[in-house]
Formats: sequence, structure tokens, C-alpha cells
Amino acid sequence: SYVLTQPPSVSVAPGKTARITCGGNNIGSKSVHWYQQKPGQAPVLVIYYDSDRPSGIPERFSGSNSGNTATLTISRVEAGDEADYYCQVWDSSSDHVFGGGTKLTVL
Amino acid sequence: EVQLVQSGAEVKKPGESLKISCKGSGYSFTSYWIGWVRQMPGKGLEWMGIIYPGDSDTRYSPSFQGQVTISADKSISTAYLQWSSLKASDTAMYYCARGTTGTTGGWFDPWGQGTLVTVSS
Repeated sequence: SYVLTQPPSVSVAPGKTARITCGGNNIGSKSVHWYQQKPGQAPVLVIYYDSDRPSGIPERFSGSNSGNTATLTISRVEAGDEADYYCQVWDSSSDHVFGGGTKLTVL
Repeated sequence: EVQLVQSGAEVKKPGESLKISCKGSGYSFTSYWIGWVRQMPGKGLEWMGIIYPGDSDTRYSPSFQGQVTISADKSISTAYLQWSSLKASDTAMYYCARGTTGTTGGWFDPWGQGTLVTVSS
């Protein structure tokens, strides 16, 4: 089965740039989607098709995908960005797969 | 506005059956896949399965195959997740989420508000 690996936690100071990675075998050949989940809330899609933003998601959120790593980048981080972030792909043998999630802490 | 509204929290005993629901509105319910996702307390997201309400084509994660049943009633734009015999380990928050149209692959957006299922004797 296909496995997505995320770091458990990432910390960043306000105003700086946070990068959250999602590792998978040849993930660059797949479409990666990212979700933000704040405590007590349902997940929200923040990036789809590697780097597209749904309407309403700030331009500070961006994504990239190449080789064995996809990355969610959050520029000019704000306190309100503190949340858990999950990557997700569809794989022909495993169907939908989520990464283990990364807790973003804003210092 | 596209919206998924889930049924309310449930408290059940081990061995009991349960069916929770997810009602879609604001879009063509039969044209988009609906997925179910489990989140155990303090843990990450786990994909359980997906259904295409247009023809009830259903796929399950191997981890959940045989453990739950996913169904849909397109006449009332509602998808369901059901258990025939609950276990304490089924205690979790369950989310439904709209997938994409056509292909089973793709992203999930939007998500329902979640249904908390507690199984305890």
C-alpha cells in the first residue's frame, strides 16, 4: 500500500515561512492535496492538484510537488494558521491515502 | 452554497448497530463522489470508503472492508455509514466529504461537520 510520511510537528515564528513536507514513493507523479484542521473543526481544503488554491484560501498558502516530496508552504505565517495539516493522494492500488498529519505551532 | 450536514452525536453500547447520515445540498448530489473519513481521538485522518450516489458504485479501504457499510439514497441526497455490531474501538469522529465528479480520485471539499460516535458499556 502507498504510504505518505509527514513530520509530526513544525514550528515557526510569526511573519516567517513554514514548510510542511509530505514524502511518498515517486509522489511527483501523483496529484497532492492539502487540508488544514483547527482544533474542534472539520478539515478544510487549502491546496489541490499540488498547487491550486480553492477560493477563499489566502495567497500565502502555496504548494509544490516533485520527486519523492510534496511541500505545503505558508508565507508570512499568522497565529491563525496554527493547526494540523494533512496531505492526501489517490493511488491506483491504495485508493485514497492521507499522511499522518503535521502540527504547525506558531511561536 | 455547497454543504454537507451530518447527523448528531451518538452514544452506543458494544454490539449495537448504528447508521449515521450525511445530507448534501447546493449541488448535484448524484454527480459527485462522497467519501467517509475516520478520526480517532487525538489521531489523524483515515480514509474509510467512497460512494458515487449516481449508481451506488462503492469502494472500501481494506482496513474497513467488511467492518462498515456505505450506502446512499439519491432521492433525499443522503449518504450513510453503518455498523452492524459496534466495538469500543469504533469510538471516533466520522466525517463525510464531497469528492470530485467523474473519477473516484481527487480531493475532498467541502467536509461535513462530523459525527462523534462513542461506544461504551
